[in-house]
Amino acid sequence: DAKTTQPPSMDCAEGRAANLPCNHSTISGNEYVYWYRQIHSQGPQYIIHGLKNNETNEMASLIITEDRKSSTLILPHATLRDTAVYYCIVSPNSGGYQKVTFGIGTKLQVIP
Amino acid sequence: DAMVIQNPRYQVTQFGKPVTLSCSQTLNHNVMYWYQQKSSQAPKLLFHYYDKDFNNEADTPDNFQSRRPNTSFCFLDIRSPGLGDAAMYLCATSRGTGGVNGYTFGSGTRLTVV
Repeated sequence: DAKTTQPPSMDCAEGRAANLPCNHSTISGNEYVYWYRQIHSQGPQYIIHGLKNNETNEMASLIITEDRKSSTLILPHATLRDTAVYYCIVSPNSGGYQKVTFGIGTKLQVIP
Repeated sequence: DAMVIQNPRYQVTQFGKPVTLSCSQTLNHNVMYWYQQKSSQAPKLLFHYYDKDFNNEADTPDNFQSRRPNTSFCFLDIRSPGLGDAAMYLCATSRGTGGVNGYTFGSGTRLTVV
């Protein structure tokens, strides 16, 4: 699986957009970009995924660069409940499912 | 709501005493995974079941075993827990067919070894 690089921590003011970057320069053509987050003492929560097009759902937007070597997760209006560790993962869709390998992630602190 | 349920939420076991953690799902997903997460670390995949097929990660210690008696349930057995096995254990599921999809995680079981 391709490796990802994320900043270890970020702060964001409540109500502002949180932009979490991820580098995945060795991503292969069949690998998807997934984002999960883990609120303290809970299991990780799936947020969004994409292959090459930008994606949006009720939780966030995912912007993938045209060369697919990096992506940005956008939380449009961060709240205190968005304080969590955010994991960017690249994984192929092999055999109809994928094994997810977590990196260290970005610890996002939303500040009042 | 369909979900992944892990019991118990907290488990204390004695050094060397076998312990079993359980996971159940109402999602009817084909694949069930067990992850170990130590303090301030990322979750680490131990093994997974695709239906009844067991897939062990190469670096998972023999001390860790798993059972999946049916689609809904999966168990993690630690035969002789050591102090280094204290961690959060996370169960996750995914559909396994029909293309790409995300994982659904349970809330985890925090294991303490005394």
